[in-house]
Amino acid sequence: GAVVSQHPSRVICKSGTSVKIECRSLDFQATTMFWYRQFPKQSLMLMATSNEGSKATYEQGVEKDKFLINHASLTLSTLTVTSAHPEDSSFYICSARGGEGGPPYNEQFFGPGTRLTVL
Amino acid sequence: AQSVTQLGSHVSVSEGALVLLRCNYSSSVPPYLFWYVQYPNQGLQLLLKYTSAATLVKGINGFEAEFKKSETSFHLTKPSAHMSDAAEYFCAVSSISSSYDKVIFGPGTSLSVIP
Repeated sequence: GAVVSQHPSRVICKSGTSVKIECRSLDFQATTMFWYRQFPKQSLMLMATSNEGSKATYEQGVEKDKFLINHASLTLSTLTVTSAHPEDSSFYICSARGGEGGPPYNEQFFGPGTRLTVL
Repeated sequence: AQSVTQLGSHVSVSEGALVLLRCNYSSSVPPYLFWYVQYPNQGLQLLLKYTSAATLVKGINGFEAEFKKSETSFHLTKPSAHMSDAAEYFCAVSSISSSYDKVIFGPGTSLSVIP
């Protein structure tokens, strides 16, 4: 099956610093990638949708200047949390969907998640 | 707009008993429906999906779900619970109208299995 990786799996940083999280599709080309945030004991909340080569589309209430998303290639998307604060501490999960000819485009493949802790 | 509700934020069953996790959806267009499982501090694993073919969908680990359009439901069942089934389960809905449509998740149901 299609595999999506995330790096790092866990990161701890000081308040005010920026953190970059990578999401890679290892064996397929991901025309669309999604970024989710999950707080403890809660569901996944979609933050943004990114299509390769285009600007990301952010969900209502998500600050695009704080959560920078780049989808520069068909196998890599990055989420940068700028000037992170303790309230940004969360579990960040990405998913990827292929285009025609790849994995079924109506199915998303999820990464293992990144645990961000801001001190 | 699409949405998902899951009745019961926590379900507890005895080992060997039937597992029933409820999911109801709302969608103005024909939906795709999914069930995912999440173990602590891990990502999501797809259990099964409905994509407008057979209404009874069989998934991994002995799980199955039935799409009932009249009830707008997609309940997840397993005949006999195993200790390893204890996890968080999410029902999700997407749309077949666009290949770029996002997946909307329900609030989740935490399943406990009592030995």
